[in-house]
Amino acid sequence: DGGITQSPKYLFRKEGQNVTLSCEQNLNHDAMYWYRQDPGQGLRLIYYSQIVNDFQKGDIAEGYSVSREKKESFPLTVTSAQKNPTAFYLCASSTITGYNEQFFGPGTRLTVL
Amino acid sequence: AQSVTQLGSHVSVSEGALVLLRCNYSSSVPPYLFWYVQYPNQGLQLLLKYTTGATLVKGINGFEAEFKKSETSFHLTKPSAHMSDAAEYFCAVTESNFGNEKLTFGTGTRLTIIP
Repeated sequence: DGGITQSPKYLFRKEGQNVTLSCEQNLNHDAMYWYRQDPGQGLRLIYYSQIVNDFQKGDIAEGYSVSREKKESFPLTVTSAQKNPTAFYLCASSTITGYNEQFFGPGTRLTVL
Repeated sequence: AQSVTQLGSHVSVSEGALVLLRCNYSSSVPPYLFWYVQYPNQGLQLLLKYTTGATLVKGINGFEAEFKKSETSFHLTKPSAHMSDAAEYFCAVTESNFGNEKLTFGTGTRLTIIP
């Protein structure tokens, strides 16, 4: 079955530590996205990538970093510079033609203690 | 710039009653519009989308939405609510049919179904 996997489902880290969230897709999509979700704020775009080895900042990129070394993978690192990292993180992918319908992974809930 | 407003962060309806979730958008060019549903601690699932053509769009689980350009609206409806409809619903807009344009999401509406 084609889809998007995110791991782990739940992640706990101590304050000041960097943490990397995994996102893999087997939909053969060119574009991938990372969103942050907080209660009452909807989804906010962190980074997106349309092609391997290229990515763009979204609305809230500060304190985050990404890489796109393979078409299938788009890991997100939450750095110690992110002031409030506790949130639900969603990865998505889409084609770059058509209607930009995005397919979402199951999400990772990050809690920083 | 594009934007989405969802009126009502929480909506409660009785089982069997009409579901109406409101979405208004702002876009400088003809928009593409989407409704997504999210169950607790899960990702988003596409319910339906409007791109071009017929303005009344039917989606999964008996939901439908109507694109009204004059009102800049894309409200989501379902004639008869079911307990399984309890979830959070997001309206989203994009101004382009290319993947280099991002989706802009509303802040969501949590739907509660009263038995």
